[in-house]
Amino acid sequence: SQQGEEDPQALSIQEGENATMNCSYKTSINNLQWYRQNSGRGLVHLILIRSNEREKHSGRLRVTLDTSKKSSSLLITASRAADTASYFCATDIVGDTGRRALTFGSGTRLQVQP
Amino acid sequence: DAMVIQNPRYQVTQFGKPVTLSCSQTLNHNVMYWYQQKSSQAPKLLFHYYDKDFNNEADTPDNFQSRRPNTSFCFLDIRSPGLGDAAMYLCATSRDRQRPTYNEQFFGPGTRLTVL
Repeated sequence: SQQGEEDPQALSIQEGENATMNCSYKTSINNLQWYRQNSGRGLVHLILIRSNEREKHSGRLRVTLDTSKKSSSLLITASRAADTASYFCATDIVGDTGRRALTFGSGTRLQVQP
Repeated sequence: DAMVIQNPRYQVTQFGKPVTLSCSQTLNHNVMYWYQQKSSQAPKLLFHYYDKDFNNEADTPDNFQSRRPNTSFCFLDIRSPGLGDAAMYLCATSRDRQRPTYNEQFFGPGTRLTVL
């Protein structure tokens, strides 16, 4: 399976604290993306990091990518109760036939306590 | 606002009774995807259309089919739903799958399917 694995599976923190989620994957990638999903809703794209990038920022989000370790992390700084959601990493790969697809990790459920 | 719309948001069907879920988009994206997501699991890609080119994942059951009559609409047909098909079904779009810096996907809110 080329599915990413995320840890932790669940994370509970207090408002104002930082939240770090990790993602590991198995094959070479074009890029890695992070998505957020509120309970019972669709996914929302947060940030994309290309395979030749090591770090990327977007507002309170910081993503790192280590292709040698096949891993990525998502850091949410100064968390808010509204950040409560599930967070998924997704790897964008090209298969042997040239077809591309996103493969999602199992997700981290983040709970931010007010 | 440009968006991905899924109807209905909640669908209840009976075991074995065919059901169709619909997705429409105003983004004019050429790629459309259908995912199945079960509780507390990752979205699982069922198939996708690149324009009219249909791409089925190897492990997608034959019970699941799809139609894309035009750029804006895509349908998921479940011919004989079983209890194990109860899930959230997510539709997504993207602009172009060939360019390596793209493939950001835009998701609809999902249709939650219950099978009685």
